[in-house]
Amino acid sequence: GAVVSQHPSRVICKSGTSVKIECRSLDFQATTMFWYRQFPKKSLMLMATSNEGSKATYEQGVEKDKFLINHASLTLSTLTVTSAHPEDSSFYICSARDRGVNQPQHFGDGTRLSIL
Amino acid sequence: GDSVTQTEGPVTLPERAALTLNCTYQSSYSTFLFWYVQYLNKEPELLLKSSENQETDSRGFQASPIKSDSSFHLEKPSVQLSDSAVYYCALSWSVNAGGTSYGKLTFGQGTILTVHP
Repeated sequence: GAVVSQHPSRVICKSGTSVKIECRSLDFQATTMFWYRQFPKKSLMLMATSNEGSKATYEQGVEKDKFLINHASLTLSTLTVTSAHPEDSSFYICSARDRGVNQPQHFGDGTRLSIL
Repeated sequence: GDSVTQTEGPVTLPERAALTLNCTYQSSYSTFLFWYVQYLNKEPELLLKSSENQETDSRGFQASPIKSDSSFHLEKPSVQLSDSAVYYCALSWSVNAGGTSYGKLTFGQGTILTVHP
């Protein structure tokens, strides 16, 4: 069964809207969660690493004020796309990993975001 | 920096053909290696994981890390139609930030596999 739950799976909204995506680890406590973005027929691009109780670490080129990340508990991280525009339309995927550097990351179902 | 290079796709095979998808990596750190599979319109899911000198087997797929040439090739003796997907090789390396240590994944570019009747 799924070990990481992501919600919603699909969002269609108007330009200028802010969209919140939730990522929950179901079977384990995740001190670290990851947020990826994937364009059609492309590989996963890491956007940021979400650390419980501290600020997220963003990859180069990712706007912190645009993509707000909150990791308030050991089982929940949220990504908010603020004032979304059509170029923000993409497939957003979160992942979580149990403790130990050799543990695999488990991915959520992904959220397909379409900004009109 | 760390990088992962995979077989240039797309790869098209008939059913029951043998599959090899190449994966090589560069890393300055002690790494752990994974293969993920992503079916159409789905999230990536773990296919194989391996630490050094350990071969793993899952769903008929096999991969054995070879440290001497920094490779982790994926193999399957006989593919099925349901194996059509995108395959990603990934390496995990430890990052220490703010007193916390966690594994960060670097993905290859992905290889599209299509299996036809």
